[in-house]
Amino acid sequence: NAGVTQTPKFQVLKTGQSMTLQCAQDMNHEYMSWYRQDPGMGLRLIHYSVGAGITDQGEVPNGYNVSRSTTEDFPLRLLSAAPSQTSVYFCASSYGVSANSPLHFGNGTRLTVT
Amino acid sequence: SQELEQSPQSLIVQEGKNLTINCTSSKTLYGLYWYKQKYGEGLIFLMMLQKGGEEKSHEKITAKLDEKKQQSSLHITASQPSHAGIYLCGADSSGSARQLTFGSGTQLTVLP
Repeated sequence: NAGVTQTPKFQVLKTGQSMTLQCAQDMNHEYMSWYRQDPGMGLRLIHYSVGAGITDQGEVPNGYNVSRSTTEDFPLRLLSAAPSQTSVYFCASSYGVSANSPLHFGNGTRLTVT
Repeated sequence: SQELEQSPQSLIVQEGKNLTINCTSSKTLYGLYWYKQKYGEGLIFLMMLQKGGEEKSHEKITAKLDEKKQQSSLHITASQPSHAGIYLCGADSSGSARQLTFGSGTQLTVLP
């Protein structure tokens, strides 16, 4: 199994550009989520999904959109990139949403917005 | 919202030394997760604690959750260079694990 796969690994955008960060998992996990990691601030939840067709906002959802059309994929869209969105983005998934299901993380996408 | 405070923020130890990392929550924890991150990589799950007083060990790493379920510690015995990385605690304060909160991490350096 590949686990959680994120693409691209690195991306540079100009302010105002849009892009989609891809996330795919092959573990048949119901739960998927997106976090951003900034120095000194830990990981903050952007959006999450408990199953295909269901998404919800996390702590810092502004400027980001998500959709979950399949169990495997959970793309994160930046509609109009801003320098404040420069960060490392992690996708994570788990089998369920109970406390017994630890998150499995991808290797991250490093995004720079100039 | 829940906040998790980790201490210390960074730690440099000589190989073979023991060390402890702490994670303190502002709220009661339903679940506490420890992860390790190497630079440029994702987070690797280490251990999960749910019950007050619970203690788990894996190889030379031991994690504990205090009785009041508001503080956890991660202890590494006889540290090795392979233990180097960033250790993060994550917590579930809702009971559903849908929105985990993470601490800002502890950067561990082990000198050979």
